[in-house]
Amino acid sequence: NAGVMQNPRHLVRRRGQEARLRCSPMKGHSHVYWYRQLPEEGLKFMVYLQKENIIDESGMPKERFSAEFPKEGPSILRIQQVVRGDSAAYFCASSPTGGGGTEAFFGQGTRLTVV
Amino acid sequence: SQQGEEDPQALSIQEGENATMNCSYKTSINNLQWYRQNSGRGLVHLILIRSNEREKHSGRLRVTLDTSKKSSSLLITASRAADTASYFCATDAGYGGSQGNLIFGKGTKLSVKP
Repeated sequence: NAGVMQNPRHLVRRRGQEARLRCSPMKGHSHVYWYRQLPEEGLKFMVYLQKENIIDESGMPKERFSAEFPKEGPSILRIQQVVRGDSAAYFCASSPTGGGGTEAFFGQGTRLTVV
Repeated sequence: SQQGEEDPQALSIQEGENATMNCSYKTSINNLQWYRQNSGRGLVHLILIRSNEREKHSGRLRVTLDTSKKSSSLLITASRAADTASYFCATDAGYGGSQGNLIFGKGTKLSVKP
């Protein structure tokens, strides 16, 4: 059973371009969470999705950021018109059920660098 | 807003010594989790302790939870160089928060010298 798979591991984008980050949850997991980590900081929650539904997007910036988790395929975090401040590590986690009492399994992250 | 705050921010010990890291949080929780992150890597789940538990063990790890003081500690006994990593506590959002949303502290950087 492969763990949470994220790709790409590293992504370099010029200012103004779009960044698409992918996350395939563990087999059997239908709950996906995206977090952002700035250097020397902890992870900050961005969005929580179930298949085809956004459950909580309270941590998502209001503009340029969007997330989806379609019926088929990986979850996608999309950042449009990237700026230097978007440079960070983006982590995806999945769990078999929702709720705070569930262990979340994390991927290796995508390190986005905006030049 | 920051929920968990770990201290110390950095800890350097010799191999074989014990390492203790602390975490304080602000609001009511359902559970608290500890994670390890090696430099440049993802997070590895270490242990989950529920709000009605006071202590939990897993191998060389011992976690305590004091809900009256809103604090938790992670003890690593007989440390090894391979334990060198950053350690984070994470709490669920608790009352009023989204289920599944974890709130992380800034972490403790542990360095174990051989």
